Amino acid sequence: GAVVSQHPSWVICKSGTSVKIECRSLDFQATTMFWYRQFPKQSLMLMATSNEGSKATYEQGVEKDKFLINHASLTLSTLTVTSAHPEDSSFYICSASRAVNTEAFFGQGTRLTVV
Amino acid sequence: SQELEQSPQSLIVQEGKNLTINCTSSKTLYGLYWYKQKYGEGLIFLMMLQKGGEEKSHEKITAKLDEKKQQSSLHITASQPSHAGIYLCGADGAGSYQLTFGKGTKLSVIP
Repeated sequence: GAVVSQHPSWVICKSGTSVKIECRSLDFQATTMFWYRQFPKQSLMLMATSNEGSKATYEQGVEKDKFLINHASLTLSTLTVTSAHPEDSSFYICSASRAVNTEAFFGQGTRLTVV
Repeated sequence: SQELEQSPQSLIVQEGKNLTINCTSSKTLYGLYWYKQKYGEGLIFLMMLQKGGEEKSHEKITAKLDEKKQQSSLHITASQPSHAGIYLCGADGAGSYQLTFGKGTKLSVIP
C-alpha cells in the first residue's frame, strides 16, 4: 500500500507561536507533496505544492512567509505555521505522490486550534 | 479555474435505503475522485474515474462519470450506518494531480 502519516493529529497552540506539522510517506518515496486547508463548511483548498529539493509553489492568496513548507527528503514534508493567529485554526491535510501526475495519497489531517 | 458543485449538501436516509450524490464540474473532468471523510480522520479514497461513461463499484458504492465528463454520481445501495460521513468529490486539471474539491455532502444514516 501507500501510507501517508501526518503528525500531530491535533494541536492547540497559543496565539503568536509557531507550530510545525509533519507529513511522511511511510512506504514510498514521494517526489511531490501537496498541502491543503479546509475551512469550516467549505471544501479543501490547495495551499501549496512541494517538490523534493526545491522551493514550494504557493497558491494565490497563501502567504509563503506565514506558511513555511519544507520538503527536505523524499519521505518528509513539513508545514510550519508561523506566528499563528486564531484565524489560522483549521484542518490541514497533506497528500503525497510518487511522481508528478500520479495518484496522491492523503494523510489523516491535522486539526489546528490557535487560542 | 475549475469548480465542483456537489448536491445535495446534506442527506439523511434510513438504513437500507439507496441514495445518490452528484458532482458537477464547470470544466471537463480529466480525473474525478471520490473520497469519504469522517471527523478526525483523513480522507479515504473511494474511487477514481477517468473515462467518459466509466463506472466503478466497490462493495455497495458505485460511481459513474457521464459521457461528456462533466458530471459524476455516487450511488450507495442499501445504506448502513457505516456509510455515514462526508463525501467529497475532487478533480484534477489536465496533466496535474492538484485536486480541486467540492464542498462535500454530509450523509447521515438513521438505524
